[in-house]
Amino acid sequence: NAGVTQTPKFRILKIGQSMTLQCTQDMNHNYMYWYRQDPGMGLKLIYYSVGAGITDKGEVPNGYNVSRSTTEDFPLRLELAAPSQTSVYFCASSNGPGGETQYFGPGTRLLVL
Amino acid sequence: AQSVTQPDIHITVSEGASLELRCNYSYGATPYLFWYVQSPGQGLQLLLKYFSGDTLVQGIKGFEAEFKRSQSSFNLRKPSVHWSDAAEYFCAVGARAGGYQKVTFGTGTKLQVIP
Repeated sequence: NAGVTQTPKFRILKIGQSMTLQCTQDMNHNYMYWYRQDPGMGLKLIYYSVGAGITDKGEVPNGYNVSRSTTEDFPLRLELAAPSQTSVYFCASSNGPGGETQYFGPGTRLLVL
Repeated sequence: AQSVTQPDIHITVSEGASLELRCNYSYGATPYLFWYVQSPGQGLQLLLKYFSGDTLVQGIKGFEAEFKRSQSSFNLRKPSVHWSDAAEYFCAVGARAGGYQKVTFGTGTKLQVIP
């Protein structure tokens, strides 16, 4: 049982490039989330999903897109990378809404130059 | 709207000393409250959570937290800190928002443990 896995661990992008951050969970959780973490700012929700085929925007969705074709996978897409997207990205999953525990992946560190 | 305040950005304690990390929240109803820990280069791990019932909650690694409704606080405590507790700690408040769980995180408190 690997929990939540994320790839890559680290990536450098040039401005305007695109990439996909991968996230997979093996806990059969319906709810999945993408956060970004900036120094001194806590975590901000980018997108979330309540099940396969259902996604919605969080607090800071601009510049990102997601899809959820299976229960296990929830990739995050950056179409035109900008320096403001330099951050650490965390994927999380939970068994339900409300007070359910969110389980986090190890994160992807992204640097946009 | 819900919010969380962690007033201490950085705390230094000696190994073996007691620890208290402060957390204040704002939410209209009874919230779900969480403490997460993040070791360097790692994701967040849940230490403990409060939904209802006993206001003193026990967590992993010897941590506990007390929910005080009158003070809108959920402070994290540990009687004797170990060097391995050095990490960043995040308080969070959660609530069901439509079809998902809206969790608002505090800005974190970085704990340094000195010998």
